[in-house]
Amino acid sequence: EVQLVESGGGLVQPGGSLRLSCAASGFTFNNYWMSWVRQAPGKGLEWVANIKPDGSQEYYVDSVKGRFTISRDNAKNSLHLQMNSLRAEDTSVYYCAKLQGTSTIFDYWGQGTLVTVSS
Amino acid sequence: DIQLTQSPSFLSASVGDRVTITCRASQGIRNYLAWYQQKPGKAPKLLIYTASILQSGVPSRFSGSGSGTEFTLTISSLQPEDFATYYCQQRNSYPITFGQGTRLDIK
Repeated sequence: EVQLVESGGGLVQPGGSLRLSCAASGFTFNNYWMSWVRQAPGKGLEWVANIKPDGSQEYYVDSVKGRFTISRDNAKNSLHLQMNSLRAEDTSVYYCAKLQGTSTIFDYWGQGTLVTVSS
Repeated sequence: DIQLTQSPSFLSASVGDRVTITCRASQGIRNYLAWYQQKPGKAPKLLIYTASILQSGVPSRFSGSGSGTEFTLTISSLQPEDFATYYCQQRNSYPITFGQGTRLDIK
């Protein structure tokens, strides 16, 4: 059974940093693209970033480029999102998601972790 | 960026009804469209991908169609567990984008 468990969310001040993690199990982690998707309170879904199975390629939404970094540790079956220079508009539930094959279809999701950026 | 516009944004229906949700893309996306269901406080769940392929385990009352710029999600006979918010998502090009969502409520 595929399981994705996020951690690392919390309250952070504007301009601060936070590192999210996602522990993956139930599939061969190093064979799949992985992703972060976020959802602001009461709002829709917004894709944030993707990373290739070997970590050699990354994609980001423009609003986080230069501030967020997606990474993975295939030896530990874990995905990460380093978030710097956080803004109030980054406040969201952040979901870790597995991508289907080599596509950008999100076939499994974690339960999410809430990041609140506020002073 | 490719914009996805869902209609309606809100839909009220009864158990047993047939409902259709539309997703229109601002430019052609071939058949690279997926549909997700999200219930309050839960993660989204993949229903349909590549416009019309049902994800494993999803009931057959869900179906999808379309290509290019216009797509539909149809639920043939609403069940109580189907009341949720539905999102379309395009994967034709980066950035990946979602529709704004369609909230399906019980009438």
